[in-house]
Amino acid sequence: QKEVEQNSGPLSVPEGAIASLNCTYSDRGSQSFFWYRQYSGKSPELIMSIYSNGDKEDGRFTAQLNKASQYVSLLIRDSQPSDSATYLCAVVHSGGGADGLTFGKGTHLIIQP
Amino acid sequence: DTAVSQTPKYLVTQMGNDKSIKCEQNLGHDTMYWYKQDSKKFLKIMFSYNNKELIINETVPNRFSPKSPDKAHLNLHINSLELGDSAVYFCASSLFSYEQYFGPGTRLTVT
Repeated sequence: QKEVEQNSGPLSVPEGAIASLNCTYSDRGSQSFFWYRQYSGKSPELIMSIYSNGDKEDGRFTAQLNKASQYVSLLIRDSQPSDSATYLCAVVHSGGGADGLTFGKGTHLIIQP
Repeated sequence: DTAVSQTPKYLVTQMGNDKSIKCEQNLGHDTMYWYKQDSKKFLKIMFSYNNKELIINETVPNRFSPKSPDKAHLNLHINSLELGDSAVYFCASSLFSYEQYFGPGTRLTVT
């Protein structure tokens, strides 16, 4: 059974600091990895995708993938109050075909002004 | 120009009724999905569909059925609604199995 694990939090980080969010997954066949942000009452919004081992940076966000350890992380630099949301880690098993995302239960991030 | 749209945004209905939720995407994607987010905010895949295959999550009751009139639309039909069907339903789309983009969601309340 494919599982994605996240610490549910809440994770409280002071404004301007680095927020570090972690995720582990059980299926070694997983090939695609995503981070979504979801504000209360809104739909999930894609913020990062990563497909190969290493780091991927996009603005204040850095995704890190380690397939050997089955571990994905998201770093948010210079955290802002607007970053307060639930962050969902998601994994796709296959490299093609109509395969849905397996989500973790999300980490609730609070940025303290 | 909304990328993935759903209607209705809210749906309140009684147990035993049959209802449909519509989804449309204008991104030119070839794969569409339905997800259910329950009261504990856990998001779970229900169906994924492209023009070659329909993948059904085995936990989804057969009262739920997706119907795709064309590549840009994937509607969700629900028969004999039950209290436990109350949730937020999200449609999503992607090109192949890469980044998925979500619609705004439909909050279904069964009374």
